[in-house]
Amino acid sequence: DAKTTQPPSMDCAEGRAANLPCNHSTISGNEYVYWYRQIHSQGPQYIIHGLKNNETNEMASLIITEDRKSSTLILPHATLRDTAVYYCIVRAQLEYGNKLVFGAGTILRVKS
Amino acid sequence: AAGVIQSPRHLIKEKRETATLKCYPIPRHDTVYWYQQGPGQDPQFLISFYEKMQSDKGSIPDRFSAQQFSDYHSELNMSSLELGDSALYFCASSFLNEQFFGPGTRLTVL
Repeated sequence: DAKTTQPPSMDCAEGRAANLPCNHSTISGNEYVYWYRQIHSQGPQYIIHGLKNNETNEMASLIITEDRKSSTLILPHATLRDTAVYYCIVRAQLEYGNKLVFGAGTILRVKS
Repeated sequence: AAGVIQSPRHLIKEKRETATLKCYPIPRHDTVYWYQQGPGQDPQFLISFYEKMQSDKGSIPDRFSAQQFSDYHSELNMSSLELGDSALYFCASSFLNEQFFGPGTRLTVL
């Protein structure tokens, strides 16, 4: 699975958009970009994933560059409850499932 | 909606004892994963099962074993416990590729 690089931490004002970048320059053609987050000591939570098109769901938007070497997770209106570690993970989708390889994510602190 | 259930939520053991952690996946999910998260660390993959067969193996010590049963629940068996085994143990389940995590079992080895 391709390696990802994320900033170690970011701050965001409550109510503003949080934009979390991720570099994955060695991503392969069959690998997807996944985002998970972990609120202190809770189980990681799935946020969103995409292959090459931008994706949006009720939690966030995912913007993937045309060359697929980087992506940005956007939380449109951050709240204090969005304070968490955010993990960008690149992995292929396999018929029998595929493990998640967690690297060093981004600690997002949402402040009032 | 039903979520992944893990039991027990907390477990305290002495060194050299054994422990069994249980995971009940979301109904109709056919794949179960186990992860270990030490203090201040990121989750690390241990092992996974698809349709009751081991599908992948990560950095799981030989002292640990796991299996998935006919009802798809899974158990992680840990023997000869060491202080370094103290960690959060997460189980996740999936159908296809989105993994949903349980609340974890916090194991403390004294």
